[in-house]
Amino acid sequence: AQKITQTQPGMFVQEKEAVTLDCTYDTSDPSYGLFWYKQPSSGEMIFLIYQGSYDQQNATEGRYSLNFQKARKSANLVISASQLGDSAMYFCAMREYRDDKIIFGKGTRLHILP
Amino acid sequence: DSGVTQTPKHLITATGQRVTLRCSPRSGDLSVYWYQQSLDQGLQFLIQYYNGEERAKGNILERFSAQQFPDLHSELNLSSLELGDSALYFCASSGLRTDSGNTIYFGEGSWLTVV
Repeated sequence: AQKITQTQPGMFVQEKEAVTLDCTYDTSDPSYGLFWYKQPSSGEMIFLIYQGSYDQQNATEGRYSLNFQKARKSANLVISASQLGDSAMYFCAMREYRDDKIIFGKGTRLHILP
Repeated sequence: DSGVTQTPKHLITATGQRVTLRCSPRSGDLSVYWYQQSLDQGLQFLIQYYNGEERAKGNILERFSAQQFPDLHSELNLSSLELGDSALYFCASSGLRTDSGNTIYFGEGSWLTVV
């Protein structure tokens, strides 16, 4: 069973608009962490944002925020005021602390249109 | 700069050969993870080490092996290479979950091309 699901293989968004990238997860471990990474065409994996399962507030990092809905097991990434440089592949990942595995979703390719 | 160093950055080798990819984790990080990313694919978890011991194993082929040394650097050995092994291989490191370093940081990856 897939533990991390990203249902949007690709998205096209107009520059300056906000964009939401979906991520749902499945775990029975009460202690886990959720991550988002950006992978531009150059290939490197850039850490964007982290949310712990016990965190009461949604994580924010600059233009990035994580919409964490624990009961629904979703951890959507919101990018405000999108820029051309945001065009990249975005991966959602989960770290289950029970066995410390880190599992990635299949990714969403985001295209920002001028 | 994530602080995770991977060498070599690029490598071209022939089928049947053996290569070693090297990773130095961030200072103080005890966990090292290896991932494989084939063209237009997500990241496949290969293996994880924690302070020199294997902690978790994913979809790692028997032709592949890894280890973590006392100085915490890690090596991924790929042998009897096939065309399908061409991929971007990532190393990542992390600290203890209770640290502020819950984040997992990735190296820039090693691009392997098997011809």
